[in-house]
Amino acid sequence: DAKTTQPNSMESNEEEPVHLPCNHSTISGTDYIHWYRQLPSQGPEYVIHGLTSNVNNRMASLAIAEDRKSSTLILHRATLRDAAVYYCILGEGNFGNEKLTFGTGTRLTIIP
Amino acid sequence: GAVVSQHPSWVICKSGTSVKIECRSLDFQATTMFWYRQFPKQSLMLMATSNEGSKATYEQGVEKDKFLINHASLTLSTLTVTSAHPEDSSFYICSAKRQGGSWSNQPQHFGDGTRLSIL
Repeated sequence: DAKTTQPNSMESNEEEPVHLPCNHSTISGTDYIHWYRQLPSQGPEYVIHGLTSNVNNRMASLAIAEDRKSSTLILHRATLRDAAVYYCILGEGNFGNEKLTFGTGTRLTIIP
Repeated sequence: GAVVSQHPSWVICKSGTSVKIECRSLDFQATTMFWYRQFPKQSLMLMATSNEGSKATYEQGVEKDKFLINHASLTLSTLTVTSAHPEDSSFYICSAKRQGGSWSNQPQHFGDGTRLSIL
């Protein structure tokens, strides 16, 4: 299984940007990089995903290294609602039918 | 946005009971749904991939006769935990991917999970 490495936990002050790193040195050329987050007692929520180019959406930005061996999820202005476990996942498998293998993720704490 | 509904959200039952969990995609069709299990303070573990109109594909170590999956329509997949025992107590989560389009445009949408407690 394609594997990712994330810090176990991070803290950030409210209203400041947050940069969540992820290493995926064994990524293959067709693996997409996905980010999901999970609040307590809820299912994961899709955040963002990309292949090679940096991506932006209303929730976050995804910066992908040129060699694709690492990526960074950027929350531009953290709020208390952003406190969650963030998972960086490589989508693997047949095109259009990828399964997601969740690692341990990064527990993000937002300090008021 | 895309919504996936799970029912029930929690269930408590006696050992030996069979429990059925439903996963519905409310505003899109899903040829593929996934079932996960999550124990306290652990990450999600994929149990099986549910394909509409065909047999599910189970991950290694998951007993297919214990965890029965049926994906009878493009909007509904069910997971039945047969003869449940206390060690089956867990948080079960489903996800669905919108039919059609390329993967690059179709993330997985997760339900809010079902907390199963077997006494």
